[in-house]
Amino acid sequence: NAGVTQTPKFQVLKTGQSMTLQCAQDMNHNSMYWYRQDPGMGLRLIYYSASEGTTDKGEVPNGYNVSRLNKREFSLRLESAAPSQTSVYFCASRRDHDYNEQFFGPGTRLTVL
Amino acid sequence: QQQVKQSPQSLIVQKGGISIINCAYENTAFDYFPWYQQFPGKGPALLIAIRPDVSEKKEGRFTISFNKSAKQFSLHIMDSQPGDSATYFCAASIRGSGNTGKLIFGQGTTLQVKP
Repeated sequence: NAGVTQTPKFQVLKTGQSMTLQCAQDMNHNSMYWYRQDPGMGLRLIYYSASEGTTDKGEVPNGYNVSRLNKREFSLRLESAAPSQTSVYFCASRRDHDYNEQFFGPGTRLTVL
Repeated sequence: QQQVKQSPQSLIVQKGGISIINCAYENTAFDYFPWYQQFPGKGPALLIAIRPDVSEKKEGRFTISFNKSAKQFSLHIMDSQPGDSATYFCAASIRGSGNTGKLIFGQGTTLQVKP
């Protein structure tokens, strides 16, 4: 039982390049989330998916898109990376609406030059 | 109104001492208040959580104190140990009907426990 896994662990992009961050969970959870973590700002929600086939915006969605490919996988795409998107990205999952604990992956450290 | 404000930003405590981290919120609809612990290079993990129908919750050396009227809650770490050195985040959420589980996080506190 691997929990929440994320790939890649590290990535360096040039301004304007695109990439997709991958996230998968093997806990049969319904809800999945993407956060970014920046120094002094805590974790901020980018997008979330309450169930397979649904996605919705969080606090800071601009510049990002997501896909809930199936119940296990939730990907985050940067279409045209900007230096302001340099951050550590975390994916998380939650079982269902009666259970609040979120389980986080190990993170992806992204640098945009 | 969706903000959760956390202080201090950093904290240094001697081994055996008490670490105290405070959080304040504005949105009275929040009804679930977790604390997450994050070690360097790892994702956050749930440490302890409280709901507003109780004023205190204790799990081992970790205690949450909750003051509903002041809209404040705090984490107390008793007998702090070097292994407690980590970043701590408070958060808030709304559970009720249509609960999406979205968490609003505080800014984080980096705790260093000196041997």
